[in-house]
Amino acid sequence: NAGVMQNPRHLVRRRGQEARLRCSPMKGHSHVYWYRQLPEEGLKFMVYLQKENIIDESGMPKERFSAEFPKEGPSILRIQQVVRGDSAAYFCASSARVETQYFGPGTRLLVL
Amino acid sequence: AQTVTQSQPEMSVQEAETVTLSCTYDTSESDYYLFWYKQPPSRQMILVIRQEAYKQQNATENRFSVNFQKAAKSFSLKISDSQLGDAAMYFCAHLIQGAQKLVFGQGTRLTINP
Repeated sequence: NAGVMQNPRHLVRRRGQEARLRCSPMKGHSHVYWYRQLPEEGLKFMVYLQKENIIDESGMPKERFSAEFPKEGPSILRIQQVVRGDSAAYFCASSARVETQYFGPGTRLLVL
Repeated sequence: AQTVTQSQPEMSVQEAETVTLSCTYDTSESDYYLFWYKQPPSRQMILVIRQEAYKQQNATENRFSVNFQKAAKSFSLKISDSQLGDAAMYFCAHLIQGAQKLVFGQGTRLTINP
C-alpha cells in the first residue's frame, strides 16, 4: 500500500510566480490535510479537505492561497504570486478516519 | 485555544540508554488524541505512537512508550535502548475529537551518541 505521495519534492519559484503542489492520499483515504513548516518550527495546519469539499480552511492565509481536492486526481495547494516568506516545507497528510494522519514526504518550496 | 509545549529544544543520549522527551498541552476538551511524530534528516514525518485520551493505559510500540498524565496534561515519550536511527526531531501533537487539525509543539532535537 503506497503511502502519501507528494510532488514535486522540491520547487523553486521566482517572486510573483505561481506554485502548485500536489498530493495523492493513501489508497482508501478520503481526508486530506495541508500543513506548512517554517525552518526550525513545528508544522502549522492550513486546510482540511474531503473530496470536492473544503471542510476547514482556518489556517489558510486569506490571500493568494487556495486548495482543492477534486473528485478525480490529487489534491492541489496553489500559491499565487509567491513571495519570499512563502519559502517553507509544505506537508500533505491523509487519513481514513479523522484520528490518525499519515504524512507525505513534503514539498520544499524556495522562492528566489 | 489548543497549545502544545515541548520545553526541551535539544536532548542527547548514549546509544542503548533510555531517554524521555517531555510534552505538555492545554485543552478544555475531554475527548482528544495525542501523537508523537519523528522527523529524521530526510524531513519525512513518521508516526511513532498515538494515545486516546479516554484510555488510561499508556500506549506502547516496541521501544517507544508514553507516560500519559491526563490531569496534568502531560504526554512524555520514552525511548528505550536508543539506537543511532532514533536521531531526529520529535514533535508532540494534539488532535481534538471532531476538529481534524493537528496542533504541533515546537519539537525536540534528539541526538544519539555512539
